[in-house]
Amino acid sequence: GDSVTQTEGPVTLSEGTSLTVNCSYETKQYPTLFWYVQYPGEGPQLLFKVPKANEKGSNRGFEATYNKEATSFHLQKASVQESDSAVYYCALGEGGGSNYKLTFGKGTLLTVTP
Amino acid sequence: GGIITQTPKFLIGQEGQKLTLKCQQNFNHDTMYWYRQDSGKGLRLIYYSITENDLQKGDLSEGYDASREKKSSFSLTVTSAQKNEMAVFLCASSFLRDWGQDTQYFGPGTRLLVL
Repeated sequence: GDSVTQTEGPVTLSEGTSLTVNCSYETKQYPTLFWYVQYPGEGPQLLFKVPKANEKGSNRGFEATYNKEATSFHLQKASVQESDSAVYYCALGEGGGSNYKLTFGKGTLLTVTP
Repeated sequence: GGIITQTPKFLIGQEGQKLTLKCQQNFNHDTMYWYRQDSGKGLRLIYYSITENDLQKGDLSEGYDASREKKSSFSLTVTSAQKNEMAVFLCASSFLRDWGQDTQYFGPGTRLLVL
């Protein structure tokens, strides 16, 4: 079946340093790839999504490129801030109608220290 | 915009008890979902409902029932709570337009503790 594997946390960074959260996926179909972010006490919310291979998504300084050949969708940010502390989920969406499914990775907890 | 409301926010139950969690959305979304979130395991799909009166099992449906009362509401029942169980149950909703591209919008969660 489909699967998503991402960097095991927790990850602790100092403010101003760069972030990479690795995400690899397995599927036999043509998925849309998502990054969701979850702040403490809240549900996950969409950071951005990319429906097509070789395209890049971005939001709030975060970005990721849908690499179909490498089956990867790594999240990057050049300079993290304390407010970026959250859990980040990579997810794979495919199918439609009654076959629609969103498969999540296990999440990566990021803590940014001042 | 819209919002997803989950009630209750915290739920404490006894072993063997039947417990019901409720979810309401005002996005006018077609599809609603229930996920279970455990530390270190990510989000696992319990049930989802494509439209009103539809019900589909996810990967983790054993031990749960669900009910889509109307388009805006979706309930989840823990049929027999397990002792020492602790998890967050997340409700989500989405349109069903773009074959796998639809964004799911999540509620804040119900935190369950079984004594």
